[in-house]
Amino acid sequence: EVQLAESGGGLVQPGGSLRLSCAPSGFTFSGAAMHWVRQAPGKGLEWVARIWSDGGSISYPDSVKGRFTISRDNVKNVLYLQMNSLRAEDTAIYYCARDSDYAFANWGQGSLVIVSS
Amino acid sequence: QSALTQPASVSGSPGQSLTISCTGTNDDIGSSYLVSWYQQYPGKAPKLIIYGASQRPSGVSNRFSGSRSANTASLTISGLQAEDEADYYCCSYTGRLSWVFGGGTKLAVL
Repeated sequence: EVQLAESGGGLVQPGGSLRLSCAPSGFTFSGAAMHWVRQAPGKGLEWVARIWSDGGSISYPDSVKGRFTISRDNVKNVLYLQMNSLRAEDTAIYYCARDSDYAFANWGQGSLVIVSS
Repeated sequence: QSALTQPASVSGSPGQSLTISCTGTNDDIGSSYLVSWYQQYPGKAPKLIIYGASQRPSGVSNRFSGSRSANTASLTISGLQAEDEADYYCCSYTGRLSWVFGGGTKLAVL
């Protein structure tokens, strides 16, 4: 069974930084593209970042480009999201997701990030 | 990239069929069959129910079906059941290494 477990969320001040982690199990992590998707409280889903299986290709939407960095360690089997220069509008539940056929096939339970002073 | 357009809410009675639309542009749905749909219950993570515009993942009820025509994708739920009451989101790959979601549709089973 595919499982994804996010960690690292919490309360951070505006302008601060936070790093999320995602621990996968139940599939070959090194063979899967991975994503981060977020959901602000009471709002819809927003795609945040994608990394190819070998880490060779990465993409972001304009809303986080230059502030967020997705990375992965295929030896330790961990996906990361480094978030810098955080803003109030980055407050959300952050989900990691496994890509399959350009869809988000499996999701973690999410990690809540609150940006507030 | 603007969000795809979905109705904010839809409702139906048990046993009925209903369709949720998802409208995009030539830059997303209009140029890609890589449309997916997600079901989300309150407080839970989303679940993939349709990918490739019309394909169902293993284990997803065949009451869910998807289609795509021009700039619009649709999710049809047949034989509506109380357990279908949830939020539904469409998503399209844009072909430029990015993805865009719809705003979501709240389905109420009356």
